[in-house]
Amino acid sequence: GQQLNQSPQSMFIQEGEDVSMNCTSSSIFNTWLWYKQDPGEGPVLLIALYKAGELTSNGRLTAQFGITRKDSFLNISASIPSDVGIYFCAGQLWEYGNKLVFGAGTILRVKS
Amino acid sequence: DVKVTQSSRYLVKRTGEKVFLECVQDMDHENMFWYRQDPGLGLRLIYFSYDVKMKEKGDIPEGYSVSREKKERFSLILESASTNQTSMYLCASSWPWGGVGYTFGSGTRLTVV
Repeated sequence: GQQLNQSPQSMFIQEGEDVSMNCTSSSIFNTWLWYKQDPGEGPVLLIALYKAGELTSNGRLTAQFGITRKDSFLNISASIPSDVGIYFCAGQLWEYGNKLVFGAGTILRVKS
Repeated sequence: DVKVTQSSRYLVKRTGEKVFLECVQDMDHENMFWYRQDPGLGLRLIYFSYDVKMKEKGDIPEGYSVSREKKERFSLILESASTNQTSMYLCASSWPWGGVGYTFGSGTRLTVV
């Protein structure tokens, strides 16, 4: 099945650093979403983007819906130890069934 | 808050056993999904269901079946468990229309020995 190209695959950063990850696709989407999965848990929705060019923040998180509708990025500012986990991007078409297409995930490890 | 509850957090089963993974959601969502998650492979869709008694194959349905007799419950069945089905299994639910994401359960880590 289709999968989004998410990069980087993993990151190991110092506490306090900013983090950036992105997702690209060969097809357009109507919605981009970013999920975080804590170790041993299911993914939890962080940010949803609904409009091309939209920039949305949620605390230290900022995400953008690419103008071409084929990409999105997520930035985390001033990382802290609890930011560790796996971050997934997902694209969605507004069609019956509401299926999401996921990226392979970015594993974030923070060195305190 | 929407809750998706998976009946077991950890399971250990023997090769050849029939295994049932249960998922229940409490928000009257029409759509339900089963994924498996393996390191480096992301989330792979096994089966999904848009309504009671409806089911459709995802990307990796081989070796699995599903059952949806009631709207709130979606069961994943491993007919004859094998060691290559050792994985983290995630259930999710959503509304049928676009623009909303999924709500995931906490996952079931299945080990087949």
